Amino acid sequence: EIVLTQSPGTLSLSPGERATLSCRASQDIRDRYLAWYQQKPGQAPRLLIYGASSRATGIPDRFSGSGSGTDFTLTISRLEPEDFAVYYCQQYSGSPPYTFGRGTKLEMK
Amino acid sequence: EVHLVESGGGVVRPGGSLRLSCATSGFTVDDYGMGWVRQAPGKGLEWVAGINKNSATRSHADSVKDRFTVSRDNARNSLYLQMNSLRAGDTALYYCVRGFLRGPLDYWGQGTLVTVSS
Repeated sequence: EIVLTQSPGTLSLSPGERATLSCRASQDIRDRYLAWYQQKPGQAPRLLIYGASSRATGIPDRFSGSGSGTDFTLTISRLEPEDFAVYYCQQYSGSPPYTFGRGTKLEMK
Repeated sequence: EVHLVESGGGVVRPGGSLRLSCATSGFTVDDYGMGWVRQAPGKGLEWVAGINKNSATRSHADSVKDRFTVSRDNARNSLYLQMNSLRAGDTALYYCVRGFLRGPLDYWGQGTLVTVSS
């Protein structure tokens, strides 16, 4: 089973700032099958990024993903008030289980 | 528009059973793998089970293996999760998701709450 470690656990930033979230895997994620999800309180998660760097339908271009192998990054170039939420990475490479990281809470400073 | 609507959650005693359902609409369900993800209160996301489009391939997390079974009925546009031998640790919001083998989870339902308590 691939273990995903997200850091930091909590990130405190202000609107307009740049956010950088990390997801590190315990083994190589083949074909860059790594996704990022956003979850706001009381809501279901929403797919942001798939294939490590492709934005899902309707996702603003301030969200970008990068990385390969075991190290992946979600960047929000300029934070909007609605971006403060919890972010999860998930790998869907090879055979199940398709594990999630524990999440990074992005809070407003 | 894609919709996934879960039902079947509730309160059940330890050792009991529940069957969750997910009604799908807005897409051709036969073309997609489907699955279940759960979230315990105040915790993160846990992938639970997945099934490919023709039910030939199913997989379950180790934490639920031999107790939970995922299935689907494409004619009814529906996905199911049969949960047996429920434990307190299974208490969670269960989400129906579109996506499975080597695919992201691109649509999520709003979830159905399962509470296992005596």
